[in-house]
Amino acid sequence: EPEVTQTPSHQVTQMGQEVILRCVPISNHLYFYWYRQILGQKVEFLVSFYNNEISEKSEIFDDQFSVERPDGSNFTLKIRSTKLEDSAMYFCASSAQAGGSLGFNEQFFGPGTRLTVL
Amino acid sequence: AQSVTQLGSHVSVSEGALVLLRCNYSSSVPPYLFWYVQYPNQGLQLLLKYTTGATLVKGINGFEAEFKKSETSFHLTKPSAHMSDAAEYFCAVSGRSSASKIIFGSGTRLSIRP
Repeated sequence: EPEVTQTPSHQVTQMGQEVILRCVPISNHLYFYWYRQILGQKVEFLVSFYNNEISEKSEIFDDQFSVERPDGSNFTLKIRSTKLEDSAMYFCASSAQAGGSLGFNEQFFGPGTRLTVL
Repeated sequence: AQSVTQLGSHVSVSEGALVLLRCNYSSSVPPYLFWYVQYPNQGLQLLLKYTTGATLVKGINGFEAEFKKSETSFHLTKPSAHMSDAAEYFCAVSGRSSASKIIFGSGTRLSIRP
């Protein structure tokens, strides 16, 4: 069964460093998302991406964050200068073309990357 | 705007007892509703979803939920709890357009007593 994969599973970095979190969405999906979950808290939406553009972003997704689909398979989240409060589990998700009024558009989640900022 | 409220951050039941996890939603448009489960140190697994049609939806592992529009509720139930059900459960809502973000509740930790 196709699945979303994420690498690395755990990333440790120093405050102020840049990190890139990588995701490989399900191959025929067209919509991509990043969510994060700070330890012990709820899952929060960061950004959605379609047709090489950001569709929507939350207030969390400030200028320190960026997303990219550098090739036909990867979807990345970059944090330019990490802060302590960026420590969280980051989940990637993808969904298929069929959706909206034409049908349900389920998002499939990856296993997450745990980011620890020291 | 959409939001989800889960009543009870921690629920503890005995093995074999009824599980009831409460969720109320707010949405200005007909929503999609979901329950996700998260086991320790793992990702999110979709338990069940309501999109349209029958208001009682059945999911994996014997869970079900009923969409009650008049009460804006989507409570999760399971007739008989099993030790393996111990996990964090998130109720969630999204819009119906393509690329709609999912809004999650704060979660309910379910503990099962032997």
